[in-house]
Amino acid sequence: GAVVSQHPSRVICKSGTSVKIECRSLDFQATTMFWYRQFPKQSLMLMATSNEGSKATYEQGVEKDKFLINHASLTLSTLTVTSAHPEDSSFYICSARDVAGGDSYEQYFGPGTRLTVT
Amino acid sequence: GQNIDQPTEMTATEGAIVQINCTYQTSGFNGLFWYQQHAGEAPTFLSYNVLDGLEEKGRFSSFLSRSKGYSYLLLKELQMKDSASYLCAVRDSNYQLIWGAGTKLIIKP
Repeated sequence: GAVVSQHPSRVICKSGTSVKIECRSLDFQATTMFWYRQFPKQSLMLMATSNEGSKATYEQGVEKDKFLINHASLTLSTLTVTSAHPEDSSFYICSARDVAGGDSYEQYFGPGTRLTVT
Repeated sequence: GQNIDQPTEMTATEGAIVQINCTYQTSGFNGLFWYQQHAGEAPTFLSYNVLDGLEEKGRFSSFLSRSKGYSYLLLKELQMKDSASYLCAVRDSNYQLIWGAGTKLIIKP
């Protein structure tokens, strides 16, 4: 089956620093990747949709200058949380859609990255 | 606005059957998904319905009624490992997934 990896799985950083999270599709090509954030006991919140070779589309209320997304290739998208604050502490999950899937219904999720900002 | 409703929490007994309901109001409909999410992990795909009716996959089945904006996930022969959150998501006219808040299922021996 399709596999999506994320790195790192856990990260602790100090307030004011930046953190980069990588999302890779390991055995398929993904023209579209999605970045989600999930706070404890809450549902997934879509932050942005990332398309290979173009600018990401951010959801309302998500600061694009704070959450920088780069989808440089068909297998890699990165999310950089800039000038992180404690309220950015959350579980960040990426998902990818297989380019060969056409109208395929399934998104493949990465294992998530637990970010803690101290 | 777009809205998906699921019960917050349900409790069931090992070996029994449980039905988790999901109602939705979205701008357009291009499929409904059920995902399982264990604590601290990412969601895993369970089922997909785009036409009315029942889709069966092993111990799990999912039902859809588009006219009623309603779906349910049926879990049979419950096992302790089925304790998780179950997320209902609808793909709208823009092919964007709209997520429910999830139903936490607690399985008791």
